Amino acid sequence: EAAVTQSPRSKVAVTGGKVTLSCHQTNNHDYMYWYRQDTGHGLRLIHYSYVADSTEKGDIPDGYKASRPSQENFSLILELASLSQTAVYFCASSDRGAQNTLYFGAGTRLSVL
Amino acid sequence: QQQVRQSPQSLTVWEGETAILNCSYEDSTFNYFPWYQQFPGEGPALLISISSVSDKKEDGRFTIFFNKREKKLSLHITDSQPGDSATYFCAASADTGNYKYVFGAGTRLKVIA
Repeated sequence: EAAVTQSPRSKVAVTGGKVTLSCHQTNNHDYMYWYRQDTGHGLRLIHYSYVADSTEKGDIPDGYKASRPSQENFSLILELASLSQTAVYFCASSDRGAQNTLYFGAGTRLSVL
Repeated sequence: QQQVRQSPQSLTVWEGETAILNCSYEDSTFNYFPWYQQFPGEGPALLISISSVSDKKEDGRFTIFFNKREKKLSLHITDSQPGDSATYFCAASADTGNYKYVFGAGTRLKVIA
């Protein structure tokens, strides 16, 4: 049973539309993250959260919002989707503390047309 | 600015050979370096990791060699198997309190039987 579950697994969106990607974890972890994966760039951090009802900007937050309504759930929101946001998005969770392992979901493939 | 660089971008080896994947970094505050393995259609998963107080970490056929002075590390996969075919990401983090990881762009390894 997957400990980090992402939905949907794939999505096609129209330019200018709103997109919400969801993530649910059963690891009882404090930290949750949203990464974007593009060929040639690896994984880049968009937003992260270390406690419910609070989110922090990562390295590439522009064009994205995040929401952490509970310890288990973390959403990524694209208010006005753009072509440049076509990518694979990964959610991850980790325990509190340095050198803790990231546990990733299976990813969401987003295509913006 | 890419703080963690990986080379080569792709690598093909024969079954039984040793694959060598390289990683370098710029930020001298980085002190923990995990390697993540990603199979197609899946999220990355932790393979092996090393902290800056060590110069070598071994786990079965996987070994990390770390050179703190040169800010370089490498992942050696001995007796490579077709099942090792995947993308490998080098990552780095520092004890700054926010537990953020910086990932390299990845090396795509193909092992031919």
